[in-house]
Amino acid sequence: AQSVTQLDSHVSVSEGTPVLLRCNYSSSYSPSLFWYVQHPNKGLQLLLKYTSAATLVKGINGFEAEFKKSETSFHLTKPSAHMSDAAEYFCVVSSLSSNTGKLIFGQGTTLQVKP
Amino acid sequence: DAGVTQSPTHLIKTRGQQVTLRCSPKSGHDTVSWYQQALGQGPQFIFQYYEEEERQRGNFPDRFSGHQFPNYSSELNVNALLLGDSALYLCASSSPRQGYSPLHFGNGTRLTVT
Repeated sequence: AQSVTQLDSHVSVSEGTPVLLRCNYSSSYSPSLFWYVQHPNKGLQLLLKYTSAATLVKGINGFEAEFKKSETSFHLTKPSAHMSDAAEYFCVVSSLSSNTGKLIFGQGTTLQVKP
Repeated sequence: DAGVTQSPTHLIKTRGQQVTLRCSPKSGHDTVSWYQQALGQGPQFIFQYYEEEERQRGNFPDRFSGHQFPNYSSELNVNALLLGDSALYLCASSSPRQGYSPLHFGNGTRLTVT
């Protein structure tokens, strides 16, 4: 069975400093992994996805994530935080066992960006 | 090009009532998935519809049912509402040609059960 664990429920950074949101996954298959962002009272927006191509994945708004199979991790990073990055972030694994693309979400990490 | 649209945006119901939520997928998508997001939690998969059939179901009781129409739009029905059904209900669309994994979500319907 697939699962994801987001290691921090809340991360606070200052504007202009690096962002690191940590995610570990468990999967019986070669996983597809995603990061989604959710701004208040909004739906989910895809930041980036990993589907067994390059292990370093670049996404929108300067975010990137590195797939590390040996560590079963898929941490999200950004070199310099912006105030508009404040939101809820979800690490997600896709269940491909039945090829239906069911998504399994982590509990989320709230990113606070201080001026 | 409209993305995934959901209606209504907000809804207040009383315990025991029934509710219907609606979703129109992104143009070109034929698969619709529904997720429930309780406050402070990550979304949880309810079910997925493709070719007007339920293809996969999450761990939700039979009170949750759905339907997909020939134009690919979908409805989520919840009967005998409980207080615990209060949540944001998200619809996502995808296509087998894109590997099924839903990449496009609507803004959700906020359901409050009193």
